[in-house]
Order: sequence, then C-alpha cells, then structure tokens
Amino acid sequence: GNSVTQMEGPVTLSEEAFLTINCTYTATGYPSLFWYVQYPGEGLQLLLKATKADDKGSNKGFEATYRKETTSFHLEKGSVQVSDSAVYFCALSDWNAGNMLTFGGGTRLMVKP
Amino acid sequence: GAGVSQSPSNKVTEKGKDVELRCDPISGHTALYWYRQSLGQGLEFLIYFQGNSAPDKSGLPSDRFSAERTGGSVSTLTIQRTQQEDSAVYLCAGGTSGGDTQYFGPGTRLTVL
Repeated sequence: GNSVTQMEGPVTLSEEAFLTINCTYTATGYPSLFWYVQYPGEGLQLLLKATKADDKGSNKGFEATYRKETTSFHLEKGSVQVSDSAVYFCALSDWNAGNMLTFGGGTRLMVKP
Repeated sequence: GAGVSQSPSNKVTEKGKDVELRCDPISGHTALYWYRQSLGQGLEFLIYFQGNSAPDKSGLPSDRFSAERTGGSVSTLTIQRTQQEDSAVYLCAGGTSGGDTQYFGPGTRLTVL
C-alpha cells in the first residue's frame, strides 16, 4: 500500500533561518506529491504540488522537488518568517485509488522572532 | 459558494447519540472526500464519492459510519451510536473528476463526552 513518512516535530527555528522538512513515500504507482499547510485555527491549504519525477513545486518561497530515485519530496525554504509557523503535511495521491490522499503525520514548525 | 463549507463547525454530543455532519463542496467538483484528523491517528481517509456513488468506502472505521451524497453536491457523514474514540476533526475535500488537487473545508470538530 501507499505510505508517507515525514520528520517529526516540532521544528523550532529563528526568523530568517533555512528550513528543511524531510518527506519520503512508498507508492505502488506513479503518485502526485503535495505539501499542505495548516495554520493555527485554520483548515488545510494546498502549499505546493508536483505531479511527476523531477518536477519542482513552489509557492510563497517554499519549494520541493519530486525525486523518484530517492522517493522523496523534501520541503525547503531559504528564509522562514514568524508567519510560517504552522503544521506541514506531506501527502501523495494515487490516480488508481481515486486520488485519495495519503498523509504523513505532520510536522509542526515554530518560528521565533 | 466560493469554497468548501462544512457544518456544524463544532459538535458536542453524548456517547451513544447519532450525529450528522454536512459538507457542501465547490460547485462543479464531482469528487468528494471525507477524512478524519485525530491526535492519535493523524489524517485518515474515510470515504470518497465520484458523483453520487462511493467507489471506495475502505476507510470507514466501523459499520456505525455511513455517508451519502445527493445531486452530486452536498454530502452527509453519519455516525451512529457515537463513541469517545470518534472525537476528532472531520474534514471534507472536493476536486474535479480525474484531478489530483483537493480543496478542503474548515472541518467539523466532534467531541463525544
């Protein structure tokens, strides 16, 4: 079956620090990969996605590259802000399974001024 | 509406009672998904609809859980004889047929006393 593993949090950084949140996946087919973000008190929002190997998704200064050879989709940002404090979820969808999302456990990011 | 709406936003019920949760997806989104977010289990898939039919009910945790969708739009998730372990945030998401991106509602927080 499909699964997603991401680094456990919380991750605590100072403002302007570099961020990496690791995500690896197991899938039987050719999944699309996603990062969703959940800000405090809000719902899940799509942050970025990539649909095939070597694609790079990017949004709001965040980026992640679909690496088939290492089955990874690590999230990076060069300079985090306090407003980036949230929980980040890595996920995959499988077209053969109706595009249902399989999520990682989530990583809480706390950015201090 | 502009986004996915869910009601109620919060529901507190007594153990053994039935509850009904509602999701109103974005107009034109033929695919609809229910997920559950709980402290111990993270984000879990429950069921998905394509139009009014549910090809995949594999995530429903027990036969106390059921869902229906009418008119290819509104969906209701019903939990009968609620248990304390049903306490969670229930999330609904919609997407286009064959599309891999899902748009989430704000969720219903269910507390079973």
